[in-house]
Parts: sequence; C-alpha cells; structure tokens
Amino acid sequence: LAKTTQPISMDSYEGQEVNITCSHNNIATNDYITWYQQFPSQGPRFIIQGYKTKVTNEVASLFIPADRKSSTLSLPRVSLSDTAVYYCLVVNSGGYQKVTFGTGTKLQVIP
Amino acid sequence: DTAVSQTPKYLVTQMGNDKSIKCEQNLGHDTMYWYKQDSKKFLKIMFSYNNKELIINETVPNRFSPKSPDKAHLNLHINSLELGDSAVYFCASSQDGGAGQPQHFGDGTRLSIL
Repeated sequence: LAKTTQPISMDSYEGQEVNITCSHNNIATNDYITWYQQFPSQGPRFIIQGYKTKVTNEVASLFIPADRKSSTLSLPRVSLSDTAVYYCLVVNSGGYQKVTFGTGTKLQVIP
Repeated sequence: DTAVSQTPKYLVTQMGNDKSIKCEQNLGHDTMYWYKQDSKKFLKIMFSYNNKELIINETVPNRFSPKSPDKAHLNLHINSLELGDSAVYFCASSQDGGAGQPQHFGDGTRLSIL
C-alpha cells in the first residue's frame, strides 16, 4: 500500500485559501488519491478524489502533478467551520478497497 | 435521516464483559466496514463485508466477531473486553467497495473499558 505523508497541523486565518500537500512517492498505477475531512466526534467525510491533473467540486480542488507522487488539497476561503482533520489516502482500484488512514493534518482556522 | 447510524453512541463497561455495537445504513450500499480509531487518532480498518460476505479481515483478535444479517446491517460483537479495546469504533459503507466509491461513515461508538 502506498504510504502518505502530510503535515501534522496547519493554522490559517478565516477567508484565506488553504493548501494541504500530501506526499505518496510509491503510488501505483492503479491507485486513486482521496481526501476525507473529520470533525471532532464525527466520522470522516469524503471530500474529493482524483487520479491525475485537477479535480474541483463545490467543496475543494485537488491538484495532482504528472508524476502523481504528491497531491494538494485546496480549500478556498476557509471559515471557522473548516477546522477539522484532513486525511489524504491512496486507494488501490484493484479488488475491494482496503483503505489506510494516516495521521491526517489538523487544520485550525483562526478568526 | 441518518445515512449510516451506529448504536450505542457511548458504551462504558467493565473488563471481561461482552458487548455489541450495531450499524445500519440506508444508502442501499453493498459494502460495509468497521474501523477502530485509537487515542492517537489512528483510524484502522478491521473488517469489510460485501453483500453479507466477509472480504477484508485485518489482524484483529478473534474476540471481535462481525455479523452481517443483511447487506444493510453490520454488527460488531466483542467478547472478553480488554482495556486496550477502549477506542472509537466507526462503521462505514460504500456502493460496492471499489476504489472509486467514497465511504460514508457513522458518527462512531465511543467504547470505554473500566
């Protein structure tokens, strides 16, 4: 399984764009990159998923360079409610999912 | 209408007891999972079922026994509870277990062993 590395924590002021980068140097050809968000006392919530280049939805954007050895989750204009732990996962497309969550990045949004 | 619901939300019990946690999903998904999140916040998969069949069984003590009476339910029974079992247990589901399918999580069951 591809291991992921991401910063343990980040702080940001309200209204700023936040970029969280994840390294996955040994990502395999059949792997997807997936991000989840977890608020305190709640289960993780799927945010976005991509394979290469750029993916955007109503919540975030995901940038993946050509070599796919890293990815960046971009949260536009964060608010206090975006304070959460963000997990970067690499998921193998072969067979059933065996999802491995790392330590995640604890994002603290400051007023 | 909660998509993935777990009961109970909190469970406090003594060492050596047997307890069960129930999970139900109303999303029509084929695959369900159990995860354990320890005090350091590491989230680890324990089991996965697809259409009531066990497909992922990580290195978990055999005191833990999942049961899936139908594809909308995946219960977790734990025998002879130990202090190290204290954690938050999350149930999740996905459409069919494939990589392209996001997982939907419940809000967890916080198990505390006295």
